[in-house]
Amino acid sequence: AQTVTQSQPEMSVQEAETVTLSCTYDTSESDYYLFWYKQPPSRQMILVIRQEAYKQQNATENRFSVNFQKAAKSFSLKISDSQLGDAAMYFCAYRSARNYGGSQGNLIFGKGTKLSVKP
Amino acid sequence: DSGVTQTPKHLITATGQRVTLRCSPRSGDLSVYWYQQSLDQGLQFLIQYYNGEERAKGNILERFSAQQFPDLHSELNLSSLELGDSALYFCASSVLAATTDTQYFGPGTRLTVL
Repeated sequence: AQTVTQSQPEMSVQEAETVTLSCTYDTSESDYYLFWYKQPPSRQMILVIRQEAYKQQNATENRFSVNFQKAAKSFSLKISDSQLGDAAMYFCAYRSARNYGGSQGNLIFGKGTKLSVKP
Repeated sequence: DSGVTQTPKHLITATGQRVTLRCSPRSGDLSVYWYQQSLDQGLQFLIQYYNGEERAKGNILERFSAQQFPDLHSELNLSSLELGDSALYFCASSVLAATTDTQYFGPGTRLTVL
C-alpha cells in the first residue's frame, strides 16, 4: 500500500521569504501523480500544484514550485516570496495512475504541515 | 470557489442517529469522491462514484453508504452514529474517473456527534 509522510508538523516563515515543505512517499508503482493541497482556516481544500511522475521537469505555479526526486521518492514544495495568505495547512497527496483496481482514483494524503507566516 | 457545493455546512446530532450529507459536483463533472478528515485519522478516502455507479471503495464503514443520482448529485448516509464519526466530510468531483483528472473539493460538512 502506498503511504505519504510529511515529517514537519509545523513550519514558520517570515513574510517575503522562501520556505520549503517536505514530503516523502512510498510506492512500488512507476506511474502516479503527486499533489500539494492547501487548507486555509476556512477548511476549503485548494489544489496548489500537481506533478506527473513520468515528467522529469518540476512543476511550477507562480510562487509555488516543487522539487520532485523520483528515485528518492521525495516531493517538496517551495513557496517563494511568502505572503500572509499562504498561512494554512499543506497536504501532500499521492494518486495511482492505474485505471483499475479498488483504489483507483483516490488521493492518499499525508498528515499535513501547518505553515505560519510572520509579518 | 471550486464549484462543488456541499450541504449542510454544519451538522450536530446525537449518537445512534442517522444523517445525510449532500454534494453537488461542478457542472459537467461525472465523478464524485467522498473523504473524511478527522483529527486522529487525517484525510481518508471513503468512496467514489462515476456517472451513478460505485467506482472505488476505501475505508468506508458498513454503517456508511453513498449513492449518486441521475442528476449527478451525491449523498453520503451515515447511520448509527458514534462519537468517533465526528469529522469534516469532503466531497470532491472530477470530469471523468480517469486518474489523470484533477479533483476539486467542496467546502466540507462539519459533523459533530454528541
